[in-house]
Amino acid sequence: ETGVTQSPTHLIKTRGQQVTLRCSSQSGHNTVSWYQQALGQGPQFIFQYYREEENGRGNFPPRFSGLQFPNYSSELNVNALELDDSALYLCASSSIGWPTEAFFGQGTRLTVV
Amino acid sequence: KNEVEQSPQNLTAQEGEFITINCSYSVGISALHWLQQHPGGGIVSLFMLSSGKKKHGRLIATINIQEKHSSLHITASHPRDSAVYICAVSREAAGNKLTFGGGTRVLVKP
Repeated sequence: ETGVTQSPTHLIKTRGQQVTLRCSSQSGHNTVSWYQQALGQGPQFIFQYYREEENGRGNFPPRFSGLQFPNYSSELNVNALELDDSALYLCASSSIGWPTEAFFGQGTRLTVV
Repeated sequence: KNEVEQSPQNLTAQEGEFITINCSYSVGISALHWLQQHPGGGIVSLFMLSSGKKKHGRLIATINIQEKHSSLHITASHPRDSAVYICAVSREAAGNKLTFGGGTRVLVKP
């Protein structure tokens, strides 16, 4: 058990809809990173939040957006869902020290139909 | 070419066999991570290393910074070791962002 929890665990949405995924980070961690993992592939970096500010972004369109709250929990929002957005979405929390280990949640499996 | 390459993609072993998974990377890194992912999806960190070798139980991870190569070894493999093993690298300049390899799917048969 890593102490990182994600909700919901599974979700089915229709193309064009919007979705919000949530992540509660491990106590003491002020950095949250989000990753998208398509079936059979390694995770791809979406973005990272540190102290409520975006601190790096991968190659994802603006319809992928996020928030980090004062308690360091985080949300990933995806607008105008496309079929290719179907994937496992993982969040990882860590401290900002270097180097630092990342602790992952169980993931949210999103299916877009 | 991906920044992080793993081999093999799939591996089947008999219980008790010694397993090796390889990871090569093409960028300068600050740390290399070995992670385990079970069918449920959650990822568990096994090792984080920036030099030398680390051991935890039946798992051993080594890294050669000069050759940009790391290996994960599983000794006396067991069916419960069946999972996807993923190599990832991080760079100080990129914060704690991880760049992942494609994973190695390991199946250990009883």
